[in-house]
Amino acid sequence: KNQVEQSPQSLIILEGKNCTLQCNYTVSPFSNLRWYKQDTGRGPVSLTIMTFSENTKSNGRYTATLDADTKQSSLHITASQLSDSASYICVVSDRGSTLGRLYFGRGTQLTVWP
Amino acid sequence: EADIYQTPRYLVIGTGKKITLECSQTMGHDKMYWYQQDPGMELHLIHYSYGVNSTEKGDLSSESTVSRIRTEHFPLTLESARPSHTSQYLCASSESASGRAAAEQYFGPGTRLTVT
Repeated sequence: KNQVEQSPQSLIILEGKNCTLQCNYTVSPFSNLRWYKQDTGRGPVSLTIMTFSENTKSNGRYTATLDADTKQSSLHITASQLSDSASYICVVSDRGSTLGRLYFGRGTQLTVWP
Repeated sequence: EADIYQTPRYLVIGTGKKITLECSQTMGHDKMYWYQQDPGMELHLIHYSYGVNSTEKGDLSSESTVSRIRTEHFPLTLESARPSHTSQYLCASSESASGRAAAEQYFGPGTRLTVT
């Protein structure tokens, strides 16, 4: 069964600190992995996308890593800001259908305190 | 910001009413999607469309229906709303990707529906 598991479920950090969010998946055949940021009451916005051959991708203070062998990914946030408070969702797509089906994790709810 | 819009953003309605959630995109994308998301839970695909006059049901069974008469418009309709329909509904669109790699999906801001 294709699944995406994220940890931790929630996380509270102080402004300026770093944090790392984890994603494990069982989706096969694998196409790509995305990290999305979803602010409360808004739609998800893409942060990074990685294919099978990529093992790291950065977008400003966000750095995603991918280990396709162990089927794990992480999202590292550097020097957190209050505006980083949001849900971070790991999304994996397969290449086994013309739809390119997306499999969503439940997200990690990050809260940054001043 | 993606050019995909949803209205209304919030809707509180009584049981038994008919409602239509609007979704429009100006990017010329062929593929459009409707997702349902409950608090703290993952997004579930309920409908999708490959293009005009094409609609398919997604992974999660839904009593809603959709139509795709124009490329840019993908409305979702509930004929008779019930409290179990209370949820957030997200619309998304994407280009038709080459090969079998999934193209980027761009999400609208969502509609928060409450049925009393």
